[in-house]
Amino acid sequence: GAVVSQHPSRVICKSGTSVKIECRSLDFQATTMFWYRQFPKQSLMLMATSNEGSKATYEQGVEKDKFLINHASLTLSTLTVTSAHPEDSSFYICSASKDSGYTIYFGEGSWLTVV
Amino acid sequence: QQQVKQSPQSLIVQKGGISIINCAYENTAFDYFPWYQQFPGKGPALLIAIRPDVSEKKEGRFTISFNKSAKQFSLHIMDSQPGDSATYFCAATGTYKYIFGTGTRLKVLA
Repeated sequence: GAVVSQHPSRVICKSGTSVKIECRSLDFQATTMFWYRQFPKQSLMLMATSNEGSKATYEQGVEKDKFLINHASLTLSTLTVTSAHPEDSSFYICSASKDSGYTIYFGEGSWLTVV
Repeated sequence: QQQVKQSPQSLIVQKGGISIINCAYENTAFDYFPWYQQFPGKGPALLIAIRPDVSEKKEGRFTISFNKSAKQFSLHIMDSQPGDSATYFCAATGTYKYIFGTGTRLKVLA
């Protein structure tokens, strides 16, 4: 299989605080993981590409100081939303590549609500 | 060059019918075309994928048709079931960076 797990699935935080979302590949090693943001009834927007042991590559318009990404091991990447504001409320989804054939597998997603 | 256009935006099909979703791409460097199924509040799940060296791929009730010259590909869901009601995204890539279509919300009526 190719299972990608995210935690937490839902989180509510107060405005101004930081929140961390974890993405784990459970049964394979992922040198590359991706973080997406999805607004209701919209497509997935790639935020950044996370490479194990190196700095993440952010898409244009994504604030790297606000969305901190760490890929500390071949099975774990984390997204930290710093100084969260209500407009950061969204569905965040990670994915991981399993092999060299470009196939990526998605996690279950994490709902972030900033109040 | 980087867009993937998906249609229709929404689709209603009777149980047992055929659901057809279309996508068109521009970048000829794309060489991998997956389809993902997403249920509300869940992450997308890989459904089926195709490479441009074949014109059709079938897995169970799901078939991808690929037209390289027209730069189009489509998903056919045969014998559509209410459990197929979900949002479907096509994607195209030449690397790990996927370009997603805008999604099609499919509703299969019982």
